[in-house]
Amino acid sequence: EGQLLESGGGLVQPGGSLRLSCAASGFTFSVYPMSWVRQAPGKGLEWVSTISDIAGSTLYADSVKGRFTTSRDDSKNTVHLQMNSLRAEDTAIYYCAKDIGGWDAFDIWGQGTMVTVSS
Amino acid sequence: AIQLTQSPSSLSASVGDRVTITCRASQGISSTLAWYQQKLGKPPNLLIYGASTLKSGVPSRFSGSGSGTDFTLTISSLQPEDFATYYCQQFNTYPLTFGGGTKVEIK
Repeated sequence: EGQLLESGGGLVQPGGSLRLSCAASGFTFSVYPMSWVRQAPGKGLEWVSTISDIAGSTLYADSVKGRFTTSRDDSKNTVHLQMNSLRAEDTAIYYCAKDIGGWDAFDIWGQGTMVTVSS
Repeated sequence: AIQLTQSPSSLSASVGDRVTITCRASQGISSTLAWYQQKLGKPPNLLIYGASTLKSGVPSRFSGSGSGTDFTLTISSLQPEDFATYYCQQFNTYPLTFGGGTKVEIK
């Protein structure tokens, strides 16, 4: 089974930027949509963004639209989340997740990377 | 956005109990529902997709049913490793949404 490994999290001041990366292995990365899901401390899961496989079209939650950008590099089996204008409410563990195929579930998740937005 | 309401939000049960968790969608989503299990400090783990299809490798004591707006996750005989939080997620319409979670605790 495949694996996902996130990196790039850390502490950032409000209004700052951070770029998360997710490295995939063990599956044919280019043919699957990839997503980001976050979880604030002690809270539930929140979908953030999805990037499709072929055309690389992107979808975003309203809470991050215009501030976050998802991209993928199929040559490096990597997906990125560029986060700008960060707010305290963006503080969360950010998980990268692979679509099972057919856009109907996330079957592989990374371990997550923590993003803390605080002054 | 489609809202998913899980109930109960928490429950206490004993090993061997039959446990049922429900997920209600604010509008019809056909069978585009997945269930995940999350243990403390770990990422979610897919259990069921398409409302009733068991992911390969997931124990058969887990089952899912429903379509439209009402869905259930059933654990036929609760095992010690099943104590966790369970989430439903809909894939019918973007933005994708999750239920609020159901925490299954030891009685």
